[in-house]
Amino acid sequence: DIQMTQSPSTLSASVGDRVTITCRASQSISSWLAWYQQKPGKAPKLVIYKASTLESGVPSRFSGSGSGTEFTLTISSLQPDDFATYYCQQYNSYFAFGPGTKVEIK
Amino acid sequence: EGQLVESGGDVVQPGGSLRLSCTASGISLEDYTMHWVRQAPGKGVEWVSLINWDGGRTHYADSVKGRFSLSRDNGKNSLYLQMNSLRAEDTALYYCAKEKLDYDSSPYDLWGQGTLVTVSS
Repeated sequence: DIQMTQSPSTLSASVGDRVTITCRASQSISSWLAWYQQKPGKAPKLVIYKASTLESGVPSRFSGSGSGTEFTLTISSLQPDDFATYYCQQYNSYFAFGPGTKVEIK
Repeated sequence: EGQLVESGGDVVQPGGSLRLSCTASGISLEDYTMHWVRQAPGKGVEWVSLINWDGGRTHYADSVKGRFSLSRDNGKNSLYLQMNSLRAEDTALYYCAKEKLDYDSSPYDLWGQGTLVTVSS
């Protein structure tokens, strides 16, 4: 089974900051990686798929990159609505989520 | 845009059984692979199970294999998760989720609101 890790587990940042979250897969998953945003009491929401494709309706300050085993999610200028927990998910071989990164207010 | 609604969550004793349902409205599920994902209180999300469009292929996380069984009824636009031999560690909010594409594996573009399963004596 493919294992996913994320770093950091918690990130403290201010509005306007550039934020980067890293996700690693235990083996190559090509570009079959998605990122989700989850707010308290809500289901996760798809943000990026195929490593770098922005889901419809998601602000362009979100971007994704990477392939193989290392991936990043970047928020270019953090907005108040972006404070949430972010999960990566591989869908190359069945499905698996990373443990999550909580983006909190500094 | 469609909606997924889960139901069937309850408090059940260890070793007990429960059947969760997920019904769609405003969208037909018949062409899509569907999934269950769970989230224990205060924890991350965990993939549980998938079923392909016609029910001919299912797959389960090791943590539930042999205890959970997933089925679907496309005529009722619904899927069902039969959960047997429940353990305390199965306590979680259970979400059903729809794949974005009707071909190849893809991430989820539609989630339900979740149904809570609590396993406790």
